[in-house]
Amino acid sequence: ETGVTQTPRHLVMGMTNKKSLKCEQHLGHNAMYWYKQSAKKPLELMFVYSLEERVENNSVPSRFSPECPNSSHLFLHLHTLQPEDSALYLCASSQQDNSGNTIYFGEGSWLTVV
Amino acid sequence: DAKTTQPNSMESNEEEPVHLPCNHSTISGTDYIHWYRQLPSQGPEYVIHGLTSNVNNRMASLAIAEDRKSSTLILHRATLRDAAVYYCILINSGGSNYKLTFGKGTLLTVNP
Repeated sequence: ETGVTQTPRHLVMGMTNKKSLKCEQHLGHNAMYWYKQSAKKPLELMFVYSLEERVENNSVPSRFSPECPNSSHLFLHLHTLQPEDSALYLCASSQQDNSGNTIYFGEGSWLTVV
Repeated sequence: DAKTTQPNSMESNEEEPVHLPCNHSTISGTDYIHWYRQLPSQGPEYVIHGLTSNVNNRMASLAIAEDRKSSTLILHRATLRDAAVYYCILINSGGSNYKLTFGKGTLLTVNP
């Protein structure tokens, strides 16, 4: 148990569906992240929120839409995805200060687009 | 962000020590050296981090070169549960440190 909880753990969706991934952190951190991990590829940073403001968007297609309503919750809204978007989506959080900024990851949401 | 270089893979035998190297020649003075590992079908988990001095915890030890341009993660007695991808990344403690990117890491195989 890392203190970062992701739901659902598994999701299968059609290309015309709209779904959302949810992340909640119980660590009191001030920054939250979405990463994508495709099969046999490195982790790709997608979005970063610091103090509920988006501070990083790594050229992610608009079919992925993040939302951070408060410092403990992060969503990734999905619509009109492509089969190549099938991957493990990982949420993480950290406390950005001078103590080293350790990142804590959730267990991930496995997404399959059919 | 400063980059790190790790071997793609390493192999070890159970109960033997493992030394996982990482090069980070462009490290800045405020970069912390972090190690994470990712077991199959799981999210990465924190292992250890340090700034200048060697560090020990219940999972591993971190040896940092005097010039800080390289570091070594030491697993004192490898077990089968240590088989994972190990990532070495640099995290800056000051200013904007949002771009936390991971490389390919080192795939550690532990033989029984």
